[in-house]
Amino acid sequence: GENVEQHPSTLSVQEGDSAVIKCTYSDSASNYFPWYKQELGKGPQLIIDIRSNVGEKKDQRIAVTLNKTAKHFSLHITETQPEDSAVYFCAARLNTGFQKLVFGTGTRLLVSP
Amino acid sequence: DAGVIQSPRHEVTEMGQEVTLRCKPISGHNSLFWYRQTMMRGLELLIYFNNNVPIDDSGMPEDRFSAKMPNASFSTLKIQPSEPRDSAVYFCASSDLEGSPLHFGNGTRLTVT
Repeated sequence: GENVEQHPSTLSVQEGDSAVIKCTYSDSASNYFPWYKQELGKGPQLIIDIRSNVGEKKDQRIAVTLNKTAKHFSLHITETQPEDSAVYFCAARLNTGFQKLVFGTGTRLLVSP
Repeated sequence: DAGVIQSPRHEVTEMGQEVTLRCKPISGHNSLFWYRQTMMRGLELLIYFNNNVPIDDSGMPEDRFSAKMPNASFSTLKIQPSEPRDSAVYFCASSDLEGSPLHFGNGTRLTVT
C-alpha cells in the first residue's frame, strides 16, 4: 500500500522566516496531495492541495510543489507568523476506487515572535 | 455551515465498558470517514462510508470496534469492550463528492483507564 514519509518532525523558525516541509510517497499511482493544519484541540483543516497534473500551486503565503518523477511534494510557508504555529500533515490519495487518504506523521511548526 | 459535529468532546471510561462516539457530517456530504489519531501511529483510517454504506472497514482494529451510519446525517463508532490501548483521539470527517477534500470534526478524546 501507499506509504507517506514526512520531514522534519519539528521545525522552529523566527517570525518572518520561511518554512519548508517535505513529504515523499511510494505509490506512483497517487494523484491527490492535500496539506492539513491541526491546531491544539481541533481537527485537521485543509490549507492547500495539489493534483498530479499540476507542478505548483500557491495561495497567498502558502505554496505546494509536486515532483511526480521523484515522488515528493513540499509545503512552503513564507513570511511566517506566530499563528502559523501548529502541526502540519501531508497526505496522498491512491488512485483507487475510493478516496483513501494516507497521512504523513506530521510536522510541529513553531514560529517565534 | 456548522461543520462536522462530534460528541462527546471527551470521554473517560473504565476498561471493559462500552463506548459510543457520535458524528454528524456536513449536510449534503455523502462520504463519511472515521479516523483514529495517536502519537505512535498518527492518523489512521478506520472505516469509510459512501451513501450510508460501509465501503472499506479494513482499518477497524478488531471485532470490538463497530460503526454504523443509519442515515445521511448520523454515524456512530462503538467500542465494546473498551481497552486502555483504545485511548486516542477519534475524528470523523466528511466530503461531498468522491475526490473532494475532507472536512474534519474536532474529535473525541477517549481515555480508557
